[in-house]
Amino acid sequence: DVKVTQSSRYLVKRTGEKVFLECVQDMDHENMFWYRQDPGLGLRLIYFSYDVKMKEKGDIPEGYSVSREKKERFSLILESASTNQTSMYLCASSSQTPMGVDTQYFGPGTRLTVL
Amino acid sequence: AQSVTQLDSQVPVFEEAPVELRCNYSSSVSVYLFWYVQYPNQGLQLLLKYLSGSTLVKGINGFEAEFNKSQTSFHLRKPSVHISDTAEYFCAVSLDTGFQKLVFGTGTRLLVSP
Repeated sequence: DVKVTQSSRYLVKRTGEKVFLECVQDMDHENMFWYRQDPGLGLRLIYFSYDVKMKEKGDIPEGYSVSREKKERFSLILESASTNQTSMYLCASSSQTPMGVDTQYFGPGTRLTVL
Repeated sequence: AQSVTQLDSQVPVFEEAPVELRCNYSSSVSVYLFWYVQYPNQGLQLLLKYLSGSTLVKGINGFEAEFNKSQTSFHLRKPSVHISDTAEYFCAVSLDTGFQKLVFGTGTRLLVSP
């Protein structure tokens, strides 16, 4: 059974703190993604990675950075958390296929609150 | 740039009634289309996808969707819903560019009552 895990289900941080969200997949997938989910806005792509040490900006990268040192792990970093980064964060992974598209498998999400 | 529109933010329905959740997209190139479901306090799970071939796609839990290129739509249907279908449903589109970026709609909350 495919599995994407996220380090925390709930997280509370203070404004200005550095925050790390970790995501691990056990499917040997090449691609990994970070989204944030907000009511009425759906999911928006923050960053994605198609290989180790590779990263690409998504639609809303401002205020975030990522790290992918190993194939199975993709970290999202909030350098200085702000209240407008309070949200649900979802990690996903997918394999590279000849068609160029495949199902993305999602983790359970981390609900981050910044006070 | 492509976009996805889910016109209904919430759809209330009685158990055993049919339901249709609407999804329209805009894109000038070929697309791949997905429906995901999110149950309370969980991540997203794939319901079904259209990559090529038959425009009628069957998915899990009795759901199906039809790709209509001329109307740029990919509506999700189920002939008879259950209480357990209460969840949020997201339509998503990926461009035929070799990348796997998904653009999601804003979601439709399906509320099934007895």
